[in-house]
Amino acid sequence: QQQVKQSPQSLIVQKGGISIINCAYENTAFDYFPWYQQFPGKGPALLIAIRPDVSEKKEGRFTISFNKSAKQFSLHIMDSQPGDSATYFCAASNGNNRKLIWGLGTSLAVNP
Amino acid sequence: KAGVTQTPRYLIKTRGQQVTLSCSPISGHRSVSWYQQTPGQGLQFLFEYFSETQRNKGNFPGRFSGRQFSNSRSEMNVSTLELGDSALYLCASSLGGGNAEAFFGQGTRLTVV
Repeated sequence: QQQVKQSPQSLIVQKGGISIINCAYENTAFDYFPWYQQFPGKGPALLIAIRPDVSEKKEGRFTISFNKSAKQFSLHIMDSQPGDSATYFCAASNGNNRKLIWGLGTSLAVNP
Repeated sequence: KAGVTQTPRYLIKTRGQQVTLSCSPISGHRSVSWYQQTPGQGLQFLFEYFSETQRNKGNFPGRFSGRQFSNSRSEMNVSTLELGDSALYLCASSLGGGNAEAFFGQGTRLTVV
């Protein structure tokens, strides 16, 4: 049973476009929602994270939107660049057990 | 500041053998977590160690075990290897409190033949 469902599985965007990746979770005890970026041959690297007391967080070109009632959160990459081509993972955890539960990932390709 | 170091980077083992993977966390980090990454299952939590104690455990069989030393370095052991254990094994270190940010190593690619 996948506790964090991520979509789409893959995404192709033109340079300068907006990339949008969505995640939905089931466990209302989750209180930490990070997004990770992973390049081939590398471990995941934290991009941006949000807690459920805010509905949006922006860092540079990356924005997380959070909808607590719908139990959904999404990553928006503005002005997408070829260097953004990577696999993106959403995850969730609660502070009590610190165990990250992951989505299955989205492979993003940004065409030049 | 040095990142998370995992050794070895690549391993090829035969079914039935055992293997030990090593992880050196970022200096000052006391928590080390291990994850298994496969194309079909994504990243799955194995266990977390904090100050030499296992603090959390995922749903993996007892063939998967770990330990942490007083310098926070951690090792993961898999005994009686199966073909399905082929995966990228990732180690993450953090300061250890609540939802502290986790920093990942590059992983150890284990292939079981």
